[in-house]
Amino acid sequence: ETGVTQTPRHLVMGMTNKKSLKCEQHLGHNAMYWYKQSAKKPLELMFVYSLEERVENNSVPSRFSPECPNSSHLFLHLHTLQPEDSALYLCASSQNTGLGGELFFGEGSRLTVL
Amino acid sequence: TQLLEQSPQFLSIQEGENLTVYCNSSSVFSSLQWYRQEPGEGPVLLVTVVTGGEVKKLKRLTFQFGDARKDSSLHITAAQPGDTGLYLCAGGKVGGSEKLVFGKGTKLTVNP
Repeated sequence: ETGVTQTPRHLVMGMTNKKSLKCEQHLGHNAMYWYKQSAKKPLELMFVYSLEERVENNSVPSRFSPECPNSSHLFLHLHTLQPEDSALYLCASSQNTGLGGELFFGEGSRLTVL
Repeated sequence: TQLLEQSPQFLSIQEGENLTVYCNSSSVFSSLQWYRQEPGEGPVLLVTVVTGGEVKKLKRLTFQFGDARKDSSLHITAAQPGDTGLYLCAGGKVGGSEKLVFGKGTKLTVNP
């Protein structure tokens, strides 16, 4: 139990579907992140939010749309995805965005796009 | 361009053996972290090293940061099945934006 909860744990969707991934942290942290983990690739940072403001958008396609309504919740809205978007999507939080700080990861949402 | 190269990519050993995994780069990092990710879970931080030449020990795990802050190693003594997992290194780049760069990881399997 890391204090970061992700739902759903598994999601299968067609290319025309719209779905959302949810992340909640109970650690009182100020920063939240979305990472993509694909086989044979390093963890890819997608988005960073600090105090509910987006501070990083790492050239992610617009079919991925993040939302951070408050410092404890982070969403990733998905629409018209491609099969190559199938991956494990990890949410993380940290006290702040400074280097050297510990990232607390959720268990991930395993996404399969058919 | 892959900034952090981890080796080996896969490692399968017997319980009780020692092992070392490596994290190398041509870039200088202000800090370097090691995470372990067990199957079905997210990565969990093991250690952060920030000083060149620094050595940190965590029970049977020994972490070393290179003098030039470009590389790091993780040595495990008397490996146990509970050590099985994906070991990820992540570097904070000097002069870059404030985000971590991850390696692809070393997948370790310790057989009973």
